[in-house]
Amino acid sequence: AQSVTQLGSHVSVSEGALVLLRCNYSSSVPPYLFWYVQYPNQGLQLLLKYTSAATLVKGINGFEAEFKKSETSFHLTKPSAHMSDAAEYFCAVRGITSGTYKYIFGTGTRLKVLA
Amino acid sequence: NAGVTQTPKFRVLKTGQSMTLLCAQDMNHEYMYWYRQDPGMGLRLIHYSVGEGTTAKGEVPDGYNVSRLKKQNFLLGLESAAPSQTSVYFCASRTTGTVTYNEQFFGPGTRLTVL
Repeated sequence: AQSVTQLGSHVSVSEGALVLLRCNYSSSVPPYLFWYVQYPNQGLQLLLKYTSAATLVKGINGFEAEFKKSETSFHLTKPSAHMSDAAEYFCAVRGITSGTYKYIFGTGTRLKVLA
Repeated sequence: NAGVTQTPKFRVLKTGQSMTLLCAQDMNHEYMYWYRQDPGMGLRLIHYSVGEGTTAKGEVPDGYNVSRLKKQNFLLGLESAAPSQTSVYFCASRTTGTVTYNEQFFGPGTRLTVL
């Protein structure tokens, strides 16, 4: 079975500071991992994805994530936070059940950016 | 392309009433999904479809039914609404044959309140 755990339901950073959002996964097969962002009253938008190619994945809006198999982690980072980064972020893993791929989402981390 | 659209955007029901949520996608995607989003619980899969005329249960299917009579549409029905079904509902779709393989595209959501 596959699962993801996001540490910290709320994270606050100052504008210009490093953003680090944590995600740990559990998977019995090589994982495909995703980070999505949700702005208020909107749907989810894909930030980046890991699909077994390069372990350092770059996404939109200056975000990147590094797949670390030994730590079963896929943490999301951005060197310098911007006010517009305030949103909720979801980590997800692709799982397989009854021969069909499904996506298991974490509980989300709400990022607050302080001026 | 409109992408994934959902109607209605908001709805208030009384306990016991029925309604149908419509999801439409114009990307010719094979797979479609219905999720519900509740505070602190991330997204949970209700039902999904791997193609026209096929549906399957997800993680939390009780109290919901779905139909996929046309490839571009995926309907979610509540036959007898209950307060526990108060949530934000998201539809998503994905394809299987292009560079966006594995990426889910989300609609803007339907906010449902059951009184």
